[in-house]
This record gives sequence, C-alpha cells and structure tokens, in this order.
Amino acid sequence: NAGVTQTPKFQVLKTGQSMTLQCAQDMNHEYMSWYRQDPGMGLRLIHYSVGAGITDQGEVPNGYNVSRSTTEDFPLRLLSAAPSQTSVYFCASSYQGRGGGYTFGSGTRLTVV
Amino acid sequence: GESVGLHLPTLSVQEGDNSIINCAYSNSASDYFIWYKQESGKGPQFIIDIRSNMDKRQGQRVTVLLNKTVKHLSLQIAATQPGDSAVYFCAVGDTGRRALTFGSGTRLQVQP
Repeated sequence: NAGVTQTPKFQVLKTGQSMTLQCAQDMNHEYMSWYRQDPGMGLRLIHYSVGAGITDQGEVPNGYNVSRSTTEDFPLRLLSAAPSQTSVYFCASSYQGRGGGYTFGSGTRLTVV
Repeated sequence: GESVGLHLPTLSVQEGDNSIINCAYSNSASDYFIWYKQESGKGPQFIIDIRSNMDKRQGQRVTVLLNKTVKHLSLQIAATQPGDSAVYFCAVGDTGRRALTFGSGTRLQVQP
C-alpha cells in the first residue's frame, strides 16, 4: 500500500545512546518532514526537506540530525538521546509541502530512560 | 513565529448533533489551513483544507470556515457519529516557509 512507512514502532533507549528513526514514502513526494508529539500538545516540527539533498530546521531541531539522499527516504538521527526526547515521532510527506494534505506515518514511540 | 491555539481541549456531544471545533492563529501571512483527525495510536489523518482566498469549504459531513479578519477557523461536523471520536488538530501553513504549525488539539467525545 502506498504511504509513509516508519520504523521502528517502539524503541527504548538509554540516555546517551544514538539511534536512527527510519521514514520512507513511495508516493514520489518532494516534501518530507519530522514532527514530535508530546502528551497534550500539538505536533512540533523538527526538520523538513523540500527535495533530495535539501534539508532545513524546524521549530525544535536541537539534538536531531537529518539527511535526504533520496526522494524516498528521510531518516532522523538522535545523536545522544536525552529523557526530554521521549515522545512520539511522526514523519509526513506531501507533493510540494504547500496546502493540501500531508500523509503521516503511524509514528514511532520513543522512550529514553 | 506562528502560534496556533484551540479554544477547548475537550468537546462532548451527543450522537447525531453537530460539532464545532475552533482554532485561532496569529500569523496574518498564513495562507493555508488544514484540519486533521487523530485516533488513538495512529498518525494524523487529513480531513479538509482551505486556502486563504476562500472563507468556506465543504466536504462530506464537514465544513471548514475561515475568518481572516479575526484569524479564526472552525471545523463543523454534521450529524456526529461515534466514529468521529478522536483528537482534532488544526494546522496552519505559510507557503513561503512550507511548514505547518499545529494547534494543541481538541478531543471530541461522542456520547451515544
């Protein structure tokens, strides 16, 4: 099925560990983005990309890195996990990032202990 | 920067009634607005959007109203059903920046 695929669905990390959250889409969307969702809050933009080789920071980029080597993939790297990064992470893509609907993945629930 | 707020964290309605969920935004340069539905354990699902050159748009059982003068938008759900129970987010976009700012969400509870 076409859409946005995120892996893993759940992850527990120890403080200081690093890991990569994977995101892949098969809709040939130019625009991809990462959001985090904390309890009782809306989604906050971490990083986004308007095409392969182009990335930019969102509202809460500290502690995260991204790269976009292909149109399909947009991995999010946590460099040194902290308890404050415990959250649910969503990847989203759209054709051009303007208007219309974004397609979201089903999320990765990350706990940092 | 943009800030987006929802007027009520929780809205409880009777099945069959109409629901209205409100959202306020701050940036007058915002030019597109989207409503999402999020069910427990799932990612946000697109419901309907509206551009700044419109003040009303209708979908199936849903209507979005935009008042740019007071920077307010609303989502109306007609004949609310139990399957409509979810958290609803408004998201506001700026074409120049190509990023969305989300509100904190309203939980809609539909009572049978």
